[in-house]
Amino acid sequence: EVQLVESGGGLVQPGRSLRLSCAGSGFRFNNYWMNWVRQPPGKGLEWVANIKADGSDKYYVDSVKGRFTISRDNAKKSLYLQMNSLRAEDTGVYYCVRDLKARYWGQGTLVTVSS
Amino acid sequence: DIQMTQSPSSLSASVGDRVTITCQASQDISNYLSWHQQKPGKAPQLLIYDASTLETGVPSRFSGGGSGTEFTFSISSLQPEDIATYYCQQYDNLPSTFGQGTRLDIK
Repeated sequence: EVQLVESGGGLVQPGRSLRLSCAGSGFRFNNYWMNWVRQPPGKGLEWVANIKADGSDKYYVDSVKGRFTISRDNAKKSLYLQMNSLRAEDTGVYYCVRDLKARYWGQGTLVTVSS
Repeated sequence: DIQMTQSPSSLSASVGDRVTITCQASQDISNYLSWHQQKPGKAPQLLIYDASTLETGVPSRFSGGGSGTEFTFSISSLQPEDIATYYCQQYDNLPSTFGQGTRLDIK
């Protein structure tokens, strides 16, 4: 059974940093693109970042370029999102998602940016 | 980034009705389109990928079609458990992008 478990969310002040993690199991982690998708409270889905299976290519939505970094450790079957210079508009549930079709989703971790 | 325009933003229908949602891409995305269902408080769930392929285990009343820039998603006979928000998502050009969502409820 495919499982994606996010962790690392919480309350953080504007301008500070936070690192999200996602542990994958039940599939060959190093075979798949991995992604972060977020959802602000009461709003729609926004794709945040993609990373290729071997980590060689990365893509970001414009609003996070230069502030967020997606990375992965295939040996640990883990995906990460380093979020720096956080803003109030980064508040939301962050989902770890497998492959470009978005076939599997984690349960999400809530990030709240507020003073 | 490719813009995905989804309509309508909300829809109210009766049990047994046929329901259709449309999604328009700002440029040609071939058939690289998924449809997702999200129920309140839950993570989204993939229903259709490659524009028209039903994901395993998804009821056959759900269907998708289209290619290029125009796509449709339909429910042939609306059931009470279909109450949710539906999103289209393109994965032809990265980063991937979603439509704004269609909130579906029972009339």
